[in-house]
Amino acid sequence: DGGITQSPKYLFRKEGQNVTLSCEQNLNHDAMYWYRQDPGQGLRLIYYSQIVNDFQKGDIAEGYSVSREKKESFPLTVTSAQKNPTAFYLCASSTGRNQPQHFGDGTRLSIL
Amino acid sequence: QKEVEQNSGPLSVPEGAIASLNCTYSDRGSQSFFWYRQYSGKSPELIMFIYSNGDKEDGRFTAQLNKASQYVSLLIRDSQPSDSATYLCAVNMGNNFNKFYFGSGTKLNVKP
Repeated sequence: DGGITQSPKYLFRKEGQNVTLSCEQNLNHDAMYWYRQDPGQGLRLIYYSQIVNDFQKGDIAEGYSVSREKKESFPLTVTSAQKNPTAFYLCASSTGRNQPQHFGDGTRLSIL
Repeated sequence: QKEVEQNSGPLSVPEGAIASLNCTYSDRGSQSFFWYRQYSGKSPELIMFIYSNGDKEDGRFTAQLNKASQYVSLLIRDSQPSDSATYLCAVNMGNNFNKFYFGSGTKLNVKP
């Protein structure tokens, strides 16, 4: 079945540590996105990528980094510079402009 | 500042009633509009999308778009307890490639 796979489901970060969240899709979608959701809030865009080897900052990119070396993969690194990383992180993909975005199951990140 | 606004609720309706969820957006040039359902602790799932003024029906769901008034709504007919969730409105605003802006969501409670 086609879909978007995020791993791990739960992740804990220690002080000063970088952690990487995985996002893989087999939908052959060109565009991929990373969102952050805080309790009771909507989704805020961290980074997005329209094509391989290209990505753009979203509204809250500080403290995060991404790469897009393969069409199927768009990993997100939460760096130690992100002082409040506790949130629900969602990866999405779409075929193109004005098309629906489809989401993975999310990764819940907490601080130890 | 591009914004998408929703009443946070909760909106309570009895089983079998019509639930009406509303969303307003700030960018008059927006072209595509999406409704997602999000159960507690889960990722958003696409319910409907609409591009043109008027109504679009899919089963028990109807999306309504009024670009002149800059609002989009979602009607749920014959509401069921399983419809109880948070409904997120997303709008593709501006010239950025498929960049969605999300509202903070309306929580719907359907009472048996």
